[in-house]
Amino acid sequence: GQQLNQSPQSMFIQEGEDVSMNCTSSSIFNTWLWYKQDPGEGPVLLIALYKAGELTSNGRLTAQFGITRKDSFLNISASIPSDVGIYFCAGQKFGNEKLTFGTGTRLTIIP
Amino acid sequence: DAGVIQSPRHEVTEMGQEVTLRCKPISGHNSLFWYRQTMMRGLELLIYFNNNVPIDDSGMPEDRFSAKMPNASFSTLKIQPSEPRDSAVYFCASTSGSTYNEQFFGPGTRLTVL
Repeated sequence: GQQLNQSPQSMFIQEGEDVSMNCTSSSIFNTWLWYKQDPGEGPVLLIALYKAGELTSNGRLTAQFGITRKDSFLNISASIPSDVGIYFCAGQKFGNEKLTFGTGTRLTIIP
Repeated sequence: DAGVIQSPRHEVTEMGQEVTLRCKPISGHNSLFWYRQTMMRGLELLIYFNNNVPIDDSGMPEDRFSAKMPNASFSTLKIQPSEPRDSAVYFCASTSGSTYNEQFFGPGTRLTVL
């Protein structure tokens, strides 16, 4: 099935650094979501975006819904150890409950 | 409030055996999704139900896989017979009509088929 392309695949950063990741698609989505998955757990919703151009924050996290509706990005400011995990974007088309997930970005914080 | 509950958390079985995974969605949620996660293929939607009715099973890999939702609080995913390539983490997620795109995931079942 279709997957969204996420980049980078993995990131190795030091605590306190800012993080930026993005997600692109060849088709349009009407809703973009960002999830985080901790080891041994299911993904947990971080941010939901419903409108092209929308910029939404959740604490140190900021996400944007691309104007073309084919992309989204997630920024994390001043990273902390608990930010470690895999981040997934997901897109949803209008009138369809199905989510299409990205390939994931694995974030590691170097001591 | 209890989240999505899945059982078992881990399952190890031998090739050819039947495997049944169970899911209890969040109370009041009317849509339920089964996903499979592997390193190679990422997170794939297998099937989803709305009001206990299967809506889209296009992601079910083959006839060995079947899913049921006999009532609003219980669903099963069955693999018969199981094969080593079925080894993966299987997630169940649920959502309500009011926030239909905010899916809440269970902790997953890690399946290993030897």
